[in-house]
Amino acid sequence: EPEVTQTPSHQVTQMGQEVILRCVPISNHLYFYWYRQILGQKVEFLVSFYNNEISEKSEIFDDQFSVERPDGSNFTLKIRSTKLEDSAMYFCASRKTAPGGTIYFGEGSWLTVV
Amino acid sequence: QKEVEQNSGPLSVPEGAIASLNCTYSDRGSQSFFWYRQYSGKSPELIMSIYSNGDKEDGRFTAQLNKASQYVSLLIRDSQPSDSATYLCAGLMNYGGSQGNLIFGKGTKLSVKP
Repeated sequence: EPEVTQTPSHQVTQMGQEVILRCVPISNHLYFYWYRQILGQKVEFLVSFYNNEISEKSEIFDDQFSVERPDGSNFTLKIRSTKLEDSAMYFCASRKTAPGGTIYFGEGSWLTVV
Repeated sequence: QKEVEQNSGPLSVPEGAIASLNCTYSDRGSQSFFWYRQYSGKSPELIMSIYSNGDKEDGRFTAQLNKASQYVSLLIRDSQPSDSATYLCAGLMNYGGSQGNLIFGKGTKLSVKP
């Protein structure tokens, strides 16, 4: 069964460093998302991406964050200068159609900022 | 602020019993709702989606939606210890775009005792 894959599964970085989290969405999906979950808290929407541009973003997704689809398969989330409070599980997700259509999640990337 | 509210639990039921999980939402424009199961440290896994008022059954799971009351529920019949997890209620809500993005509740932790 097709799945969303994410790398790395876990990354430890020093505060102020740049981090890139990578995702390969399901191949025939058109809508891509990043969510995050701080330990013990709820899953929070960050950004959605369609047709090579951001379609919606939450207030969490500030200038420190950016997303890119550098080729036909990868979808990346970059955090320019990490802060301690960026420590969280980051989930990539994709969907074939919208509105409606199921959103499928990857296994997540744990980011620990020290 | 668009919100999805859940009782965080924990909800403890004996094996074989019915577990009842509830959720309310604030955005009257939301049309689609999803129940995800999340094991500790893992990604959300879709259990059921529901779009229309009333009940939707899938095996041991029944989702219920009442749009007038802005209320969604999930019933798990014949609960098994393997059902022990956190159950996330999510609504598809708009941030001004047309796609809709998932907004999650905090989740209800379910424990099924053998």
